[in-house]
Amino acid sequence: QVQLQESGPGLVKPSQTLSLTCTVSGGSISSGDYYWSWIRQPPGKGLEWIGYIYYSGSTYYNPSLKSRVTISVDTSKNQFSLKLSSVTAADTAVYYCAREDSGYDGIDYWGQGTLVTVSS
Amino acid sequence: QSVLTQPPSASGTPGQRVTISCSGSSSNIGSNYVYWYQQLPGTAPKLLIYRNNQRPSGVPDRFSGSKSGTSASLAISGLRSEDEADYYCAAWDDSLSGSVVFGGGTKLTVL
Repeated sequence: QVQLQESGPGLVKPSQTLSLTCTVSGGSISSGDYYWSWIRQPPGKGLEWIGYIYYSGSTYYNPSLKSRVTISVDTSKNQFSLKLSSVTAADTAVYYCAREDSGYDGIDYWGQGTLVTVSS
Repeated sequence: QSVLTQPPSASGTPGQRVTISCSGSSSNIGSNYVYWYQQLPGTAPKLLIYRNNQRPSGVPDRFSGSKSGTSASLAISGLRSEDEADYYCAAWDDSLSGSVVFGGGTKLTVL
């Protein structure tokens, strides 16, 4: 059974960089069958796709966040990471890491989510 | 403002059939698959429908999806109290560099 687990600081100061890591267990991140994604959900609001990375390192980002987002992968640790720079209160959200099937079968595994609050 | 448009709320009584709509454009729903996700309170979303109308293993056949043109629908028949949740549609969007776009979500209340 594939499991994903987010980790990182729950509180980030405005203008700083938010950094999260997702550890994948029960499956290899090097599988060419999946994209490894980040999705966020502000409190009480809907889902917003941030971007994803393929095991090869190819990335796709939400155009509205592209200038501030970096997603990277560490296949040796079976992890992928998110960095979001110059954060503001609007970036306060539950951040989910997830696995998306590259064959159009959808986002089939999600982490439990981690709340990141941007506040001084 | 979400790229895909869903009604903010829907409701039904146990046993009833409820549908939730999702409206998009030619660059997303009109040319790509539609997905539906169910989010129970306090939990991560769960894949409910993929490729417009396919159910993952374990999803009851009470849930069904359809797509026509630039719109899609999720139907839930034989409504149960445990179906009370938020439902999100999603699709790839060719005009946004291949991004995934979500609907704003529909909160389903079982009366």
